[in-house]
Amino acid sequence: EDKVVQSPLSLVVHEGDTVTLNCSYEVTNFRSLLWYKQEKKAPTFLFMLTSSGIEKKSGRLSSILDKKELFSILNITATQTGDSAIYLCAVASGGSNYKLTFGKGTLLTVNP
Amino acid sequence: SQTIHQWPATLVQPVGSPLSLECTVEGTSNPNLYWYRQAAGRGLQLLFYSVGIGQISSEVPQNLSASRPQDRQFILSSKKLLLSDSGFYLCAARLAGSQETQYFGPGTRLLVL
Repeated sequence: EDKVVQSPLSLVVHEGDTVTLNCSYEVTNFRSLLWYKQEKKAPTFLFMLTSSGIEKKSGRLSSILDKKELFSILNITATQTGDSAIYLCAVASGGSNYKLTFGKGTLLTVNP
Repeated sequence: SQTIHQWPATLVQPVGSPLSLECTVEGTSNPNLYWYRQAAGRGLQLLFYSVGIGQISSEVPQNLSASRPQDRQFILSSKKLLLSDSGFYLCAARLAGSQETQYFGPGTRLLVL
């Protein structure tokens, strides 16, 4: 059974701190790893990673994948209160009709 | 660009009543469509997915069913709701010819009392 584990489950920081969120996985026929941010409603897409060692960056957020060790990290630098959200990691696996397996998410709270 | 609509936004239903949640997609053709449930604000569980009209795959045995009567319409149903059906239901679409990214609709919050 495919498995995606995120850590920590919950994190409270102060504005300006840098955080690292972790995602490890065990899946059959890995295709890609995706990060989403979920505030009050639907998850919004952040990154898709398919190759090891290539960092994806968007503003203060960045992410990297290690396919040998089967994990990914999401970094957020100089956090702001607007970064408070649940961050979800998902792994796409399978054939042409692939599926996404989601982790339980990391609840990040950024205090002013 | 594509837009995913879900209706209704919030629903409160008594135990034993029927359910129908609708998801429609604009701006694309032949998407793969997915229904997820998220309980207690954490972790998404895949319920059903569809690769085309009338084609439904069920991931988890449960009290729910899904149908895809049109290319851009996906419906989640139940004949008799259980308390355990409460949760946040999300519809997602993977665009034809795109990579693995799924885009989500705004969700329906269901409370069964």
